[in-house]
Amino acid sequence: SYELTQPPSVSVSPGQTATITCSGDTLGNNFAYWYQQKPGQSPVLVIYQDFKRPSGIPERFSGSNSGSTATLTISGTQAMDEADYYCQAWDSTTVVFGGGTKLTVL
Amino acid sequence: QVQLQESGPGLVKPSETLSLMCTVSGGSMNNYYWSWIRQPPGKGLEWIGCIYYSGSTNYNPSLKSRVTISVDTSKNQFSLKLSSATAADTAVYYCARQAGTMPGAPYFDYWGLGTLVTVSS
Repeated sequence: SYELTQPPSVSVSPGQTATITCSGDTLGNNFAYWYQQKPGQSPVLVIYQDFKRPSGIPERFSGSNSGSTATLTISGTQAMDEADYYCQAWDSTTVVFGGGTKLTVL
Repeated sequence: QVQLQESGPGLVKPSETLSLMCTVSGGSMNNYYWSWIRQPPGKGLEWIGCIYYSGSTNYNPSLKSRVTISVDTSKNQFSLKLSSATAADTAVYYCARQAGTMPGAPYFDYWGLGTLVTVSS
């Protein structure tokens, strides 16, 4: 079955750039999506169709997708960005989520 | 603003059927797919399946034999039934509006708050 692989954790200092990767076989041939989930809350879509930001998502969130890796970049990371982040894509028959990355801002 | 609200029993006995309802408000169900997604405690997200407003369905192959999703657009509701429940089905269950194209490029732009369902005797 198709798998999306994310690092379990990423740490970043406030104001610096956080980079979270998502790897999957030929992922670049499909759209990648990213969700932010804070403790006790529902996931929130932060990037769709590789790089587009939904209304209300700050410009510091950006995305890219090429080859076998999609990347979520958070520029000027703020304490409020501390959360779990999940990538998502479509396999030939099902929606697939990555295992999630816990972003710590310290 | 579209809102989704899950409802149903928080406790299900092993081997019984887990049943949940999602009520959609603030928008029409027409022309969208509607999905169920679950998250075991402390773990990641798993897509269960979706239904188009007209009734066509797509299911995760790993759960397909046990899942039924149905829709009632007159009530702005869609539902999930998961048969032969086991402890492995214990999770927070979310309903969500599915945007994008299906199949091909689905994603989830509105989510419910989620409801915890525990499978235990």
